[in-house]
Amino acid sequence: EAQVTQNPRYLITVTGKKLTVTCSQNMNHEYMSWYRQDPGLGLRQIYYSMNVEVTDKGDVPEGYKVSRKEKRNFPLILESPSPNQTSLYFCASKREVGVIYGYTFGSGTRLTVV
Amino acid sequence: AQSVTQLDSHVSVSEGTPVLLRCNYSSSYSPSLFWYVQHPNKGLQLLLKYTSAATLVKGINGFEAEFKKSETSFHLTKPSAHMSDAAEYFCVVSLYSGAGSYQLTFGKGTKLSVIP
Repeated sequence: EAQVTQNPRYLITVTGKKLTVTCSQNMNHEYMSWYRQDPGLGLRQIYYSMNVEVTDKGDVPEGYKVSRKEKRNFPLILESPSPNQTSLYFCASKREVGVIYGYTFGSGTRLTVV
Repeated sequence: AQSVTQLDSHVSVSEGTPVLLRCNYSSSYSPSLFWYVQHPNKGLQLLLKYTSAATLVKGINGFEAEFKKSETSFHLTKPSAHMSDAAEYFCVVSLYSGAGSYQLTFGKGTKLSVIP
């Protein structure tokens, strides 16, 4: 089944403890992206990647890192999480950078930082 | 600046009555527009998309949206609400961001409640 898989689905952590949220797609998609969803703010883009080793900042990149060492994986790294990073995170992918639609979203990761 | 505005943060309708969720966009180019739905504790699902073909777009579950360039609007409608329509709905615009890339910009969401 074609899908975007995020892990974990739920995570509670403490301030300052490094964590990684994984994202993997099995569709050979070129483009991948991370969003965070907060009540009343919709989804905001954190980082995106147009291909292997090509990443760029979205609208809210502060406090996050990403890497794209292989096409299928796009992990989101929080080096020193803070409570304001408590949010619902979505990973998404699409076949080509230049394609307008055709996004596939993961099921989300609910992160709580205490 | 290019953006998308959902005019209502919360809409409440009775079961069997029409649904109207409003969305306005601002774009220098001909936009591509989408509506996504998110049911409680679920991921995002594409309802419908407009990509410069027919201005009246039909989606899943009986939803429709009409692209009106003169009003810069892309409102989502359904003739008769069902309890299962209770969810959060996001209006989304796909914008050209340079280097041959298109990015999504989401509205802030409209929470739809359906009263039995």
